Amino acid sequence: DAGITQSPRHKVTETGTPVTLRCHQTENHRYMYWYRQDPGHGLRLIHYSYGVKDTDKGEVSDGYSVSRSKTEDFLLTLESATSSQTSVYFCATTPRDQYNEQFFGPGTRLTVL
Amino acid sequence: GQQVMQIPQYQHVQEGEDFTTYCNSSTTLSNIQWYKQRPGGHPVFLIQLVKSGEVKKQKRLTFQFGEAKKNSSLHITATQTTDVGTYFCAGRGDSGGYQKVTFGTGTKLQVIP
Repeated sequence: DAGITQSPRHKVTETGTPVTLRCHQTENHRYMYWYRQDPGHGLRLIHYSYGVKDTDKGEVSDGYSVSRSKTEDFLLTLESATSSQTSVYFCATTPRDQYNEQFFGPGTRLTVL
Repeated sequence: GQQVMQIPQYQHVQEGEDFTTYCNSSTTLSNIQWYKQRPGGHPVFLIQLVKSGEVKKQKRLTFQFGEAKKNSSLHITATQTTDVGTYFCAGRGDSGGYQKVTFGTGTKLQVIP
């Protein structure tokens, strides 16, 4: 695997609280992505980054924000968690060229009560 | 926006039988990637197809990209219990600039020994 870690791996939180998930990579990959995975929906892109401080929205970005202050770290923040954001969150990276494959982290299972 | 549909959603086969999953895009793709996710794991890249009509093989796995670059298939010959998992296709658009990858909903394969 491409040296991608996610923290925390599991989290239970309450509705209305802010939550930050961290993705850390050691491969100096340019592109980083946040996906959520839900039964019947596959993997849906939340936000992605194409460089430090360069980010853009994916298809399900409402209620989420991201930041990338260093090449190796990509943070996903749920500003005010809702039960509909209960999901498994995956971080992924791609090296220099956008056409390369994506390498996925181990995932974070988030439960919002 | 671009949509990628994948069928079937589930497939149970006896060990030794063949398996095929199909991926269809609403728009022309520049490339298509295939990933495998084992139960409880993260998606792992299998292969990328770029050319119209391209066929690639990996041991018992055969991947095809349609002539119109809007559909693809993954065929597994003589399934084994190690093939269990969910198979995702992921298509990238073809309209210039940075194109996000859209994942199919996945086909969950169960192999009965």
